[in-house]
This record gives sequence, structure tokens and C-alpha cells, in this order.
Amino acid sequence: DTGVSQDPRHKITKRGQNVTFRCDPISEHNRLYWYRQTLGQGPEFLTYFQNEAQLEKSRLLSDRFSAERPKGSFSTLEIQRTEQGDSAMYLCASSFSPGLVETQYFGPGTRLLVL
Amino acid sequence: KQEVTQIPAALSVPEGENLVLNCSFTDSAIYNLQWFRQDPGKGLTSLLLIQSSQREQTSGRLNASLDKSSGRSTLYIAASQPGDSATYLCAVSPDSNYQLIWGAGTKLIIKP
Repeated sequence: DTGVSQDPRHKITKRGQNVTFRCDPISEHNRLYWYRQTLGQGPEFLTYFQNEAQLEKSRLLSDRFSAERPKGSFSTLEIQRTEQGDSAMYLCASSFSPGLVETQYFGPGTRLLVL
Repeated sequence: KQEVTQIPAALSVPEGENLVLNCSFTDSAIYNLQWFRQDPGKGLTSLLLIQSSQREQTSGRLNASLDKSSGRSTLYIAASQPGDSATYLCAVSPDSNYQLIWGAGTKLIIKP
């Protein structure tokens, strides 16, 4: 296993378009997290899954955002009707719970630019 | 509401120096605290994780301390090298769900 992967790495879209990002976690990890990071800031929590169940959503996750993890493996994050303020790096992380030390392992991120 | 602050925002030091990065948090009721490293255009790599019951953790040239009562953590880097140049972020987890709350990071440049 080579770690957490995200696709695409970069996405440029026009305002109003829909975009979808994919995250493939480390195979034995049951938890999956989505974060958003803007330039010069730390990541902000968006949502997380335990297996296929979405257990928590941030208030940052407006109704234009939806995340799924249908079989408890990969996850998708969709943004509908994108706005320029959605431009950011979207980071995915995975971990195994319960574990002695539950470190989150991060993917390389998807950088979104909304024109 | 938990807030995490990192000072300084940027730091430039000559190679070989020992240095300290600071992280403060407003709510001492944390589950754990982690230090991460982020290289430009790349994801985050966990460096050290300190459980709330621990005072410090060490890995190679890195040592992280935690003082919950004062809401502070420090990351000590010994004998800095140009390869240590990166942004270092501190994150706290308020509970076992491990939702991380992050500082904005300290951008570190080690000059050869």
C-alpha cells in the first residue's frame, strides 16, 4: 500500500460548475477525513466517516457540498455550483480506530481553482 | 471554542542552529496534540503525537513538549538542516473522534 491517494491533483473550473474529488485511503483504515486548506492557513475540518457512515459534518460544509463513502473504502467529495470562495486545497486523511496511536495519514491534496 | 495559535508565522535561521517552534491552544481539555510537517504542494506528514497524559515525545532530532495547564506545546529541532525547511503545523484533537483543530503554521527556512 502506497498511502492515501487523491485524484485529481489539480482542478480548474468555472464558477457555477460542479466538481468531484476522489480519495483512496490506506486499505485497512476505517476512518476517513476531509479537510480544506486555504493559502497561509491551517486545514479546516469538513467531515469524517467511520466505515461508510458519515459521523460528523462541519458547519463549513454547506448544502452545496456532499461527501460519500459508499462501501467504506474510497470517498468522494462533490461541490455543486462552485463559487470563487471554494478555491482551496482539499485534503483527505485516513486512520484506523480504535488504535493505540491514531495518527491520521494525509494524501497529497486536490488543489481547486474556481475562475 | 478551541483556537490554536502558532508563533512565529515565519522563521529563518542558519543551518546547525537549535530552534523552538511554539503552539498555544485556548481550551486545555484536549485528547492529544500533534505536530505535522507540510512541504510545498504536498500533503501533511505527522511528526509527533503527544497524548494528553504525556509531557513529551521524541523522534530523532525532534522533541515535542506539552503543558496542558498552560495551553502550550513546543517543537524543538536540534542541529537544523536545510532539509528541515517546511511549514510546521500544530493540531489538537478535542476528543477521541480525532477531529483536528489546526494552527496556521510556522514557515521555517534553514539557510545553508
